[in-house]
Formats: sequence, structure tokens, C-alpha cells
Amino acid sequence: EAQVTQNPRYLITVTGKKLTVTCSQNMNHEYMSWYRQDPGLGLRQIYYSMNVEVTDKGDVPEGYKVSRKEKRNFPLILESPSPNQTSLYFCASRGGGNYNEQFFGPGTRLTVL
Amino acid sequence: AQSVAQPEDQVNVAEGNPLTVKCTYSVSGNPYLFWYVQYPNRGLQFLLKYITGDNLVKGSYGFEAEFNKSQTSFHLKKPSALVSDSALYFCAVREGAAGNKLTFGGGTRVLVKP
Repeated sequence: EAQVTQNPRYLITVTGKKLTVTCSQNMNHEYMSWYRQDPGLGLRQIYYSMNVEVTDKGDVPEGYKVSRKEKRNFPLILESPSPNQTSLYFCASRGGGNYNEQFFGPGTRLTVL
Repeated sequence: AQSVAQPEDQVNVAEGNPLTVKCTYSVSGNPYLFWYVQYPNRGLQFLLKYITGDNLVKGSYGFEAEFNKSQTSFHLKKPSALVSDSALYFCAVREGAAGNKLTFGGGTRVLVKP
């Protein structure tokens, strides 16, 4: 089954404790992206990657890091999480041209205390 | 900078009645427009898109959307709403062939009452 998977689905952590949210897709897509969803703000892009070793900042990159060492994986790293990073996070991927729709993962609900 | 506005936070409609969810956009160049739906505790699912061609686009689950260039709108419609259509709907825009960024509206919650 074609899908985007994220782990963990739920995470409660404390301020300053480094964490990684994994994202993997099995569709051989070049493009991958991370979003955060906050009430009333829709989805805002954090980082995106056009292909292996090619990443770029989205609208809200502060406090986040990403890497793209393999085509299928695009982990999101929070080096020192803060309470304002409490949010619902989605990974997405897209193949082919940018006229194609994105496929979204199921989401990761992160709470930073 | 590109942007999307969904002017209604929530739309209430009775089952069987027509459903409209409004979306307006701002982008340089030609827009690529998308609608996604989010059910509780789920990721976003693609409904339909406008890239070029016919202004009326048909998508999944009986939804359709009309692209209006002069009004910069891309409203989502369904002729007869179902209770199961209750969900959060997002409109999104990308700037044509050159754009890598997909910008989302704030979302509209649809509540269909039996």
C-alpha cells in the first residue's frame, strides 16, 4: 500500500530534550515536506526537500532541523524543544511535477511541557 | 507572497442540502489550486485540484470546485451533503510551474446535521 508513515504518533516531552520524528514514504517520491498544524492557522510549512541531500526552509523553520540522506526518509529534529512547538505535525510527499497532489502522513501530536 | 483565505471558520448544513466552502487566493502567475479534507485523528486527504483547462473540476466523494480567475476564487461544492462529509476542509495554492511551496488556508470546519 502506498503510504507515508510517521513515528511516533503521540509524544509528550519536556523543554530542552532533543527529539526526532521520523517520516518515511514508499512511493519513490522526490519531494518531501514537513508542516505544523495549529488551530486557525492551517498548515504551515517547516522545511521541504526536493531530493536526497537537497533541503530548504519553509515558512516556520526556526527551532527545527531536517536531513535527507535517503530518498524515502525525511526526519524532523527538534534539538531543544520549547512549549511553543507544541503542535500537530504532518509529513507529506509528492512525486513528479508540482502539479501533483501531496500525500500526507497520519500526523504526530507533540506536547512540550 | 502567496496566500489563501477561507473566510468561514465553520459551515453548518442539513443533510441533503447543498454544501459550499469558500476559498480565495492570491498568487503571482498562474495558480495551482487544491482542496484537502481532514477527518478526526487522520492526515489530510486529497479531494481535487485545478491546474489548467475546464474551470469546473470534479473530485472524490462527489465534490467539485469552480475556478474563477477574475474573482480569484476556488469554492468547493457538493450538491447534496452527507453526515459523513463532516470534517475540516483546507484550500491550498501553489504558484504554477515554478512554485515549490504549497500555502494552505486556515481551514473550514463543516458540520452536516441529520
